[in-house]
Amino acid sequence: QQQVKQSPQSLIVQKGGIPIINCAYENTAFDYFPWYQQFPGKGPALLIAIRPDVSEKKEGRFTISFNKSAKQFSLHIMDSQPGDSATYFCAASIEGNTPLVFGKGTRLSVIA
Amino acid sequence: GAVVSQHPSWVICKSGTSVKIECRSLDFQATTMFWYRQFPKQSLMLMATSNEGSKATYEQGVEKDKFLINHASLTLSTLTVTSAHPEDSSFYICSARTTGTGNGYTFGSGTRLTVV
Repeated sequence: QQQVKQSPQSLIVQKGGIPIINCAYENTAFDYFPWYQQFPGKGPALLIAIRPDVSEKKEGRFTISFNKSAKQFSLHIMDSQPGDSATYFCAASIEGNTPLVFGKGTRLSVIA
Repeated sequence: GAVVSQHPSWVICKSGTSVKIECRSLDFQATTMFWYRQFPKQSLMLMATSNEGSKATYEQGVEKDKFLINHASLTLSTLTVTSAHPEDSSFYICSARTTGTGNGYTFGSGTRLTVV
């Protein structure tokens, strides 16, 4: 059973566009929702994270929108650049020393 | 910030041999370390959770006798792939939850294992 469902699987946008990646979860005990960026051969790097008491969080060009009632959250990348081309993973975890559960990932390509 | 150092970054070994991967928390104490495996173009799949001073907890389908985890100190967790086979070739990543602001996670840089 996949606990965090991510879509789309892949995404191509033009430079300057705003790619949006969506995730949905079932477990209402999740209380931490991060987004990670991963380049080939590297470990995942934290982009931005949100907790359920906030509906939106912005850090630089990255924004998370969170809808607690719908159990969904999404990542928006403003003014996307070719250097943003990478795989993006949403994840979720429960309070305490528990592991992150990852979505399946979205391969983003930003073309000039 | 909290740093987890993972070594080696890549390793090639022959079938039947064993390989040890180390993860060290450099500036914090990691009572728990999570080990993930990632196949090409796939997501990170949790293999096991290691706790300092006790036995690791393995996810369903992960052979504990094949993937030996040792967490002997608060700053070091190791994953040993025993009797490696080509199907064990993968990207292995460790992670620890950090305390303090954000209560986030820090990841090692990963180990690319190729079994020939």
